[in-house]
Amino acid sequence: NAGVTQTPKFQVLKTGQSMTLQCAQDMNHEYMSWYRQDPGMGLRLIHYSVGAGITDQGEVPNGYNVSRSTTEDFPLRLLSAAPSQTSVYFCASSPGLVRRTDTQYFGPGTRLTVL
Amino acid sequence: AQRVTQPEKLLSVFKGAPVELKCNYSYSGSPELFWYVQYSRQRLQLLLRHISRESIKGFTADLNKGETSFHLKKPFAQEEDSAMYYCALSVTGQTGANSKLTFGKGITLSVRP
Repeated sequence: NAGVTQTPKFQVLKTGQSMTLQCAQDMNHEYMSWYRQDPGMGLRLIHYSVGAGITDQGEVPNGYNVSRSTTEDFPLRLLSAAPSQTSVYFCASSPGLVRRTDTQYFGPGTRLTVL
Repeated sequence: AQRVTQPEKLLSVFKGAPVELKCNYSYSGSPELFWYVQYSRQRLQLLLRHISRESIKGFTADLNKGETSFHLKKPFAQEEDSAMYYCALSVTGQTGANSKLTFGKGITLSVRP
C-alpha cells in the first residue's frame, strides 16, 4: 500500500490564482481530512469528510473548497489564492467512523507559497 | 469547545537527560489523547495514544483527568528523539459519529550530544 499520497510536493502561486491539492489513499479509509501547518500555530483542521459525498468544515475553512466523489480521493481547492494561505498542507485518513481512538495516517505534505 | 495547550515551543536537553513534554487539554466529554511526532523530512506519525497504555521508543504518557494533562515523558533522551511533537485530542464530531483531531501548537525537542 502506498498509504496517503499528496501532490504536488511544492507549489508557488501568485495571488488570485487557483489550484487543487491532490490527496489519495489506498487503505479504504472512510475518514479523510486536510490540515494546514503554520509555525507557532500547530496543525489546524481545514475540512474533513466521513465518507464519499459527505464533507464538513473544520476550524479554518475559509478560502478552501473540498469534495469527496470517491472513497480514495479528497482534493483541496484554493479558488483565489492569498498570501495568508502560504503554509504546509497535510492530508490525513483514518479507518474510523465511530471509534475515536483510530489512528490518523498522514501524507507527506504539500508546501505552498503564495506570492 | 475543546482545546489542547502545549505551553512550551522548544525544549533542548543533553543526551541521557530526562524529558517531559507538557500537554494540557480542555474538553467537557471523555477525552481520547494522542502524541504525534514529526521527524525531520518525514511525515507526521502516531507516537502513542493514552488508551494503549504502552511505551513507544521509551516514551510514556499518562492521562491525568484531575489535572487535565497528558504529559509525554522519557527517562533518558536520545539524539534520534529530536523532532516536533504534537499533542492531540480526539472529539466526537457534529454528526455524533465521526472523530476529529484537535492539535496543540507543537513543541520542538532538541537532544544535544
